[in-house]
Order: sequence, then structure tokens, then C-alpha cells
Amino acid sequence: NAGVMQNPRHLVRRRGQEARLRCSPMKGHSHVYWYRQLPEEGLKFMVYLQKENIIDESGMPKERFSAEFPKEGPSILRIQQVVRGDSAAYFCASSPGTVYEKLFFGSGTQLSVL
Amino acid sequence: GEDVEQSLFLSVREGDSSVINCTYTDSSSTYLYWYKQEPGAGLQLLTYIFSNMDMKQDQRLTVLLNKKDKHLSLRIADTQTGDSAIYFCAESIGGSQGNLIFGKGTKLSVKP
Repeated sequence: NAGVMQNPRHLVRRRGQEARLRCSPMKGHSHVYWYRQLPEEGLKFMVYLQKENIIDESGMPKERFSAEFPKEGPSILRIQQVVRGDSAAYFCASSPGTVYEKLFFGSGTQLSVL
Repeated sequence: GEDVEQSLFLSVREGDSSVINCTYTDSSSTYLYWYKQEPGAGLQLLTYIFSNMDMKQDQRLTVLLNKKDKHLSLRIADTQTGDSAIYFCAESIGGSQGNLIFGKGTKLSVKP
């Protein structure tokens, strides 16, 4: 049973470009969460999605960031017009959906903005 | 607002016990978690405790929860070099599924 799969592992973008980060949850998990980890910081919640629905986006920056979890395929975190401050590790987690269930994390995508 | 505090560094000798401490602020926390992060890797869930428990033991790991003082600790018995990693404390916020509040992490260094 594969764990949470994220790709790419490393992503380099120039300022102004778009970044797309992908996450495939564990088999049988229908809930996906995105977190961001800035250098020397803990993880910060960004967004919680179920299939085709955004449930909680209270941690998402108001502009340039969007997330989706389509009926088919992985969840996508999209960052438009990236800036240097977007450089961070982005982690995806999934859970089967029980309230307060423990989260299983992927290995993360390290985004570097030049 | 919610906040989770941890000391940033801990150094122990191989074979000794390690105790990593954490304080949190939200009294409505339902679960409290300990995650381990090795270099370049994602977070691995080590253990978690429900807020109405005082203690949980799992092999070399012992979690103690003092709900009155909002203090959580993780004790690792017979610490090994493979335990060297960053340990994150996290709390779940009542009514907000999947929105965990993480501390900044404690870097555990184990000397042979």
C-alpha cells in the first residue's frame, strides 16, 4: 500500500512563473490537506479538500494560490506568479476521513524560486 | 490565537533517555501528536494521544499529557543514533478537521 505520493520532489521556478505541485493520497483516503513549511519553521496549514470540494481554505494566501482535488487524478496546489517568499517545502497529507483522524504525510515538494 | 512551543535543540548520548517537551495553548485540543522528520523526508507519525488521557506508552516511546498545564512530553527510552531527527509536536483544533497546529520542532542529536 503506497503512501502519500508527491511530485515533483524538487521544483525550481523563476519569479513570475507558475508552480504546480501534485499529490496522490493513500489508497482509500478521500481527504487531502496541504501544508507549507518555511525554513526553520513548523508546518502551517493551508487547505483541506475532499473530492471536488474545498472544505477549509483558511490558511491559503488570498491571492495567487489555488488548490483542487478533482474526481479523477491527484490533488493540485497551484501557485501563480511565484515570488521568492514562496520558496518553501510544501507537504501534502491524507486521511480516510474520520473526524480528527491521524494524517499521513508525503515527502514534500521543495519549491525554490530564483 | 493557537500556539505550540518547543525547545529547538536537544542533545543526548546513545543509550540515554530523551525527553522532548511541548506546550500548547488551545484548551479545546482533541488530539495531540508527535511527528518525526528525518533530513529530506516527510513527517512520520510517531504517536498521538487523546486529550482525555494522561499517558500513552508504545514500545520505547512514552507520551505524558498534563492538560491542566497544557504540557505534552515525549520520552524516548534507550535513544539510538537512528533517532536523530526533528520532532514536531502538533495539536488538533476542535471543530477544524486536519488543521493541525505545529510547533517549530526540536532537533534531537544523539551522540555515540
